[in-house]
Amino acid sequence: GQQVMQIPQYQHVQEGEDFTTYCNSSTTLSNIQWYKQRPGGHPVFLIQLVKSGEVKKQKRLTFQFGEAKKNSSLHITATQTTDVGTYFCAGPRTGNQFYFGTGTSLTVIP
Amino acid sequence: SQTIHQWPATLVQPVGSPLSLECTVEGTSNPNLYWYRQAAGRGLQLLFYSVGIGQISSEVPQNLSASRPQDRQFILSSKKLLLSDSGFYLCAWTGYGSTDTQYFGPGTRLTVL
Repeated sequence: GQQVMQIPQYQHVQEGEDFTTYCNSSTTLSNIQWYKQRPGGHPVFLIQLVKSGEVKKQKRLTFQFGEAKKNSSLHITATQTTDVGTYFCAGPRTGNQFYFGTGTSLTVIP
Repeated sequence: SQTIHQWPATLVQPVGSPLSLECTVEGTSNPNLYWYRQAAGRGLQLLFYSVGIGQISSEVPQNLSASRPQDRQFILSSKKLLLSDSGFYLCAWTGYGSTDTQYFGPGTRLTVL
């Protein structure tokens, strides 16, 4: 069956360093969404990408959807302690369901 | 604006006891509703989803069940809890027929002892 994998599973960075997480799907996705879950909290929607090759930015966060619509990345420039959390990608599947990636847990060391 | 509520926020239950978790959505009609479970430090496991009143689809066979008695109410139940049922239970909704943004509730942290 379809799978959505994320790498790395964990990432520790010094505050101010950059961070990137990669999301890979075994099949083409109609769109890809990114969510952030703070420690102890619930996933919160960050952004949705729809078009092949699309790039979107939110302040220090840059999101990219691959040309084949099977992979995506989230890049954070100059991390801050407020960036701590787990980042999930997600894509739709049949029957109004979603595939969620395995998540990347980011720790920022002050 | 739309809001989603879950309760209780935390729950400690003995093995073999029943369970009832409730989720309600406000400010929208005919939402798709979802129950997920998240083990500590892990990803999201879809348990049930519903596209309408009385319609429930199960992803993982287990001792849990779900019901949707009203359009914006989603209930997760168990007759007898197992230790393995411990986890963070999240309810989420999307617009009817939509595969866009999922909005998650605050979650219920369940510990089965």
